[in-house]
Amino acid sequence: QKEVEQNSGPLSVPEGAIASLNCTYSDRGSQSFFWYRQYSGKSPELIMSIYSNGDKEDGRFTAQLNKASQYVSLLIRDSQPSDSATYLCAANSNYQLIWGAGTKLIIKP
Amino acid sequence: SQTIHQWPATLVQPVGSPLSLECTVEGTSNPNLYWYRQAAGRGLQLLFYSVGIGQISSEVPQNLSASRPQDRQFILSSKKLLLSDSGFYLCAWSVQAFYGYTFGSGTRLTVV
Repeated sequence: QKEVEQNSGPLSVPEGAIASLNCTYSDRGSQSFFWYRQYSGKSPELIMSIYSNGDKEDGRFTAQLNKASQYVSLLIRDSQPSDSATYLCAANSNYQLIWGAGTKLIIKP
Repeated sequence: SQTIHQWPATLVQPVGSPLSLECTVEGTSNPNLYWYRQAAGRGLQLLFYSVGIGQISSEVPQNLSASRPQDRQFILSSKKLLLSDSGFYLCAWSVQAFYGYTFGSGTRLTVV
C-alpha cells in the first residue's frame, strides 16, 4: 500500500514565525510532490510543486525534497493568520496522486 | 486557460433518493478526471478516475457510480443514497498526475 504520512496537528505557530510542515512517502518511484492548502469548507489549492532534490522557493513558501529519505517539507516564513488552513502533501504514483491526511496549521495573532 | 466547473455547491437529499453530480473542464482536451470524497475532518478518498471517454476505474466499492459521456464531462451518480454518503465531493483534473491536479469548488452533500 503506497502511503503519504503527515502529522495531523494542529500545529500552532505565532504570527511572524516560521511554520514547518513535514511529510514522508513510501513509493520510491514517485517523481513529483505537491503541497496543497485547504481552507475550511473549500477545495484544495495547489501552492507548491517540487520535482528534484533540494529547495524550491516561491515568495514566503519553500518546499524541500529529500528523495533518499523520502521526505518532503514545506516552510512558511513570516506566517500570517491567513495561512491558517489544512495543508495536504501529495506524491505522484502511476496515474494518481497519493495524499496525506493533512496537517492543520493555526497561526496565532 | 483551463477551468473546472462543479455543481451544485450544496445539496441536501433524503435517504434513498438518487444523486447526480456533474463536473466539466474547459480549455483542455483528454484530461484525466477524478472524483474524491472528503468526510468532515478527514483526508481525501479517491472514488473514481478516468483517463478517457467511457473509461472509468473504481477505487472503492460502494453504491456510487461514475460516467464520462464526453471528453471533458465527468458525472457521479447514485441510485439510492445512504446516510454514509454525506460528505464533500470534489472533482479534479490533470494532464498527467505528474503535474498535479486542479480541483473544482466541490459539492457539500448532506443525506438526511
